[in-house]
Amino acid sequence: KNEVEQSPQNLTAQEGEFITINCSYSVGISALHWLQQHPGGGIVSLFMLSSGKKKHGRLIATINIQEKHSSLHITASHPRDSAVYICAVGSQGNLIFGKGTKLSVKP
Amino acid sequence: NAGVTQTPKFQVLKTGQSMTLQCAQDMNHNSMYWYRQDPGMGLRLIYYSASEGTTDKGEVPNGYNVSRLNKREFSLRLESAAPSQTSVYFCASTPQAPGGGNTIYFGEGSWLTVV
Repeated sequence: KNEVEQSPQNLTAQEGEFITINCSYSVGISALHWLQQHPGGGIVSLFMLSSGKKKHGRLIATINIQEKHSSLHITASHPRDSAVYICAVGSQGNLIFGKGTKLSVKP
Repeated sequence: NAGVTQTPKFQVLKTGQSMTLQCAQDMNHNSMYWYRQDPGMGLRLIYYSASEGTTDKGEVPNGYNVSRLNKREFSLRLESAAPSQTSVYFCASTPQAPGGGNTIYFGEGSWLTVV
């Protein structure tokens, strides 16, 4: 069983839609990270959180420590949001990565 | 504003050849990492360096060696490349020792093909 599970694996949305990507984990964590990877590009950190909620522009990340679950929301999605979104958890001194959610936003 | 810089971006090797992937960060970070990314799998840690002068194995170290040359630079060497090492390699750094409580910064990736 993977320690970090993301859903869905693939997601196609129309421009303007509200998007939710989920991450569940099975280990004790010190923090949870959401990362963004554009096709052929590098990986960028979007959020690091250990409780509650964070917001940057149209992106919102929430975490429920008791339920071991986090969500990444994108409001008013845009084609430039098309990317792979990766959840990673810090546990026992290391980062454990999910396999990513590939998001495609159509105009 | 370079952040983490890794070279080369693309490389094709023949089985048995050796090569070194270079990585440098200009953020004065203590910890540096090498990951590989394969289709259908999450990023997997090859080696990391918690601080200058130290290196430790990660999840998939076989076939690789590393050198923390100084605080800025962390190189990954393939001594005898194998097709199974075809992958995308990412260098990363964090301000403090490995763990989840620091923002992680990644390089742009190196696409390596072994034929």
